[in-house]
Amino acid sequence: DTEVTQTPKHLVMGMTNKKSLKCEQHMGHRAMYWYKQKAKKPPELMFVYSYEKLSINESVPSRFSPECPNSSLLNLHLHALQPEDSALYLCASSQDPGGTDTQYFGPGTRLTVL
Amino acid sequence: AQSVTQPDIHITVSEGASLELRCNYSYGATPYLFWYVQSPGQGLQLLLKYFSGDTLVQGIKGFEAEFKRSQSSFNLRKPSVHWSDAAEYFCAVAPYSSASKIIFGSGTRLSIRP
Repeated sequence: DTEVTQTPKHLVMGMTNKKSLKCEQHMGHRAMYWYKQKAKKPPELMFVYSYEKLSINESVPSRFSPECPNSSLLNLHLHALQPEDSALYLCASSQDPGGTDTQYFGPGTRLTVL
Repeated sequence: AQSVTQPDIHITVSEGASLELRCNYSYGATPYLFWYVQSPGQGLQLLLKYFSGDTLVQGIKGFEAEFKRSQSSFNLRKPSVHWSDAAEYFCAVAPYSSASKIIFGSGTRLSIRP
């Protein structure tokens, strides 16, 4: 099973709301990633978790707060977002965070901030 | 700083025709190189990757890519395209020290003419 699942598929939120995105994998991977993809643009790395610890934060604003409760689950907590944060948020996982392993991507959550 | 360039924004080819998508990278040493495909509203799927060794890399769905160090290129090819190949294609690069930190090119949208 090489599946990464993400919920919800779509999310609409106001600028004062607090919401969370969820990502799950059951492949035993020890690295998990959050990417942001604006329309007609490539994905941009936001965060990397390695063995459940945050290893890379690409200078992401604090209104995005990642959390890795266990090795299978990755959350992205959202608070006080701006309309320009509307995008497709992609989660990925790989076997070994520092090695040459393939990143497997989920289908993404399409977020709209009103 | 490393970067990757895909000079073609949009390419249209006839079904059954051959395909070549261009990718050039800028990096001090030989990086890790990838080609990903993204269908509309979907996550990314790895087509193939190059780390070292044979410069001609075979991937899934009949795709191949050739690493040419002298030209800093990693072009994607397929001898005969199918209508289902219509999608967005991303070339990507990661530093030799860590395949976690992938940087994507701007993408090439492939359309298939019946």
